[in-house]
Amino acid sequence: SYVLTQPPSVSVAPGQTARITCGGDNIGSKSVHWYQQKPGQAPVLVVYDDSDRPSGIPERFSGSNSGNTATLTISRVEAGDEADYYCQVWDSSDNYPKVFGGGTKLTVL
Amino acid sequence: EVQLVESGGGLVKPGGSLRLSCATSGFSLSSYTMNWVRQAPGKGLEWVSSISSSTTYIFYADSVRGRFTISRDNAKNSLYLQMNSLRVEDTAVYYCAREDYASSSCDYWGQGTLVTVSA
Repeated sequence: SYVLTQPPSVSVAPGQTARITCGGDNIGSKSVHWYQQKPGQAPVLVVYDDSDRPSGIPERFSGSNSGNTATLTISRVEAGDEADYYCQVWDSSDNYPKVFGGGTKLTVL
Repeated sequence: EVQLVESGGGLVKPGGSLRLSCATSGFSLSSYTMNWVRQAPGKGLEWVSSISSSTTYIFYADSVRGRFTISRDNAKNSLYLQMNSLRVEDTAVYYCAREDYASSSCDYWGQGTLVTVSA
């Protein structure tokens, strides 16, 4: 099945920009979704279809996708953004319709 | 307001069975594909199973195929996961998640129910 690779951790100071990558073979040809999960809570969708935001998600969250890498960008990082972030794609090529990346722990210094 | 509420988790011995339920409200369940996603303690998210709105399409992860069965009752606004032949490695929080029909993202999630498989 399709494999998504994320860095285990990313650290950033408050007010700076965090970039979390998600690597996959020709991922640019797929739609990528991003979820935020805080400790003890369910995941929350923060970006869908590479770069769209659900209602209620701040504009500070944005996404891009090209080639073999998709990126979630969080601008003007706040302490409340500290969480685990997961990328996900829909893989129509086999019977594994949903694939998640391994997750990235965002630490706000 | 969209709500998903899982129930049915608990402690079970290896080889045992458990049936999870997901009660939904605030939307028409019959219009949506639904998913089960699990998360082992301290680990990442793992997709488990999907069922289309009319049950035409059902998919399972390799790790649970042949042991788990997903089903739904649109009239009761409920999603289910029958789990048989449980293994220690099935220990996880199980989430039900609604799938947005346009993007295939999981736009709403329940709070999860913990399944512990241990002797």
